[in-house]
Amino acid sequence: AQKVTQAQTEISVVEKEDVTLDCVYETRDTTYYLFWYKQPPSGELVFLIRRNSFDEQNEISGRYSWNFQKSTSSFNFTITASQVVDSAVYFCAQGGSEKLVFGKGMKLTVNP
Amino acid sequence: DVKVTQSSRYLVKRTGEKVFLECVQDMDHENMFWYRQDPGLGLRLIYFSYDVKMKEKGDIPEGYSVSREKKERFSLILESASTNQTSMYLCASSSVGGTETQYFGPGTRLLVL
Repeated sequence: AQKVTQAQTEISVVEKEDVTLDCVYETRDTTYYLFWYKQPPSGELVFLIRRNSFDEQNEISGRYSWNFQKSTSSFNFTITASQVVDSAVYFCAQGGSEKLVFGKGMKLTVNP
Repeated sequence: DVKVTQSSRYLVKRTGEKVFLECVQDMDHENMFWYRQDPGLGLRLIYFSYDVKMKEKGDIPEGYSVSREKKERFSLILESASTNQTSMYLCASSSVGGTETQYFGPGTRLLVL
């Protein structure tokens, strides 16, 4: 069965701090995809990244970076030099042969 | 850009009313989904559809039905709204394949009194 765990439910940081959002997944699929979504206060889930299970290269996009470690079944997301606009709920998800399964989300508050 | 729109951002209904939530996507996606989001529970899949007139139950289909008469449109129906259906409802679409990226609409916050 698929399962995605975001152990942190809420984090509060001060602007310019770095913050890492943890995501651990369970799956029996040999091929699968991992996702991160951002949900700002407006409510819409915004797609951030999709990674194939065969590609363990870390990815960087501006202040965002993702660390995929298959050995520990983790797909962590780091925001460098956080900004107030990063305040949102972040969801990790895993898709395989069955369906897309979401973690329960992690609320990030970045204070000025 | 993928565009998924939902008919209402906010809705207030009374217990027992029939409620229609509409979702439209403009990317010719085969798959469409309805989720509800509640604090502490994350996103839970209600129903999904992989083709016109096709539907599959998700994790929590009780109290809901769906309709997909056209490829671009997927409707969620609450036959007789109850207070425990007060929630945020999110529609999503994706191209063929369960591993494809799902794109979400802005959500509908439904309050049932």
